[in-house]
Amino acid sequence: AQTVTQSQPEMSVQEAETVTLSCTYDTSENNYYLFWYKQPPSRQMILVIRQEAYKQQNATENRFSVNFQKAAKSFSLKISDSQLGDTAMYFCAFLNFGNEKLTFGTGTRLTIIP
Amino acid sequence: DAGVIQSPRHEVTEMGQEVTLRCKPISGHDYLFWYRQTMMRGLELLIYFNNNVPIDDSGMPEDRFSAKMPNASFSTLKIQPSEPRDSAVYFCASSLPGGDRYGYTFGSGTRLTVV
Repeated sequence: AQTVTQSQPEMSVQEAETVTLSCTYDTSENNYYLFWYKQPPSRQMILVIRQEAYKQQNATENRFSVNFQKAAKSFSLKISDSQLGDTAMYFCAFLNFGNEKLTFGTGTRLTIIP
Repeated sequence: DAGVIQSPRHEVTEMGQEVTLRCKPISGHDYLFWYRQTMMRGLELLIYFNNNVPIDDSGMPEDRFSAKMPNASFSTLKIQPSEPRDSAVYFCASSLPGGDRYGYTFGSGTRLTVV
């Protein structure tokens, strides 16, 4: 079974700074997908970014980018120029190719300080 | 599209009562998922459907839980009888046929409190 580990329960940074959230996973599969979801206080789960394991290029979405290290099974999220609206829980998630079961990590609570 | 729609947003019920949570997936999405979120256990997949057929219900905690998807636009999660330990946020999500490439689209969740 796949596992997803987020070792930082909480983080806080000053507004406009850059922050990196860590995620590691364990799998014996070669083809899979990785995601970061954001859950603000409204509790809505919002897809932030996704990465296909077969792509070497790291995914980027505006201020959000990932550092995908397949050999190390690491998938970190970098938020640049952080904004107050980035305050939320962030969940890393794993999905095997051809398998619809999304496995989540325990989350990192990120607080952006004005 | 209005997204995945869940109702009610909040539900407070007494122990022993039946509770029904509802979900309308995004039109065209073939997969529908029910998740439960608690502080202790995080996000757990309870059950998922493909083309209205239950595929994997191994996450359903007990026989008190049941889920149905009578058509492509509606699903229910029922708890009967409810217990205080069922208190949680229940999410419904749906995905495209190639959904694994796009992740899931989640509803706003139902916060269930059993007293």
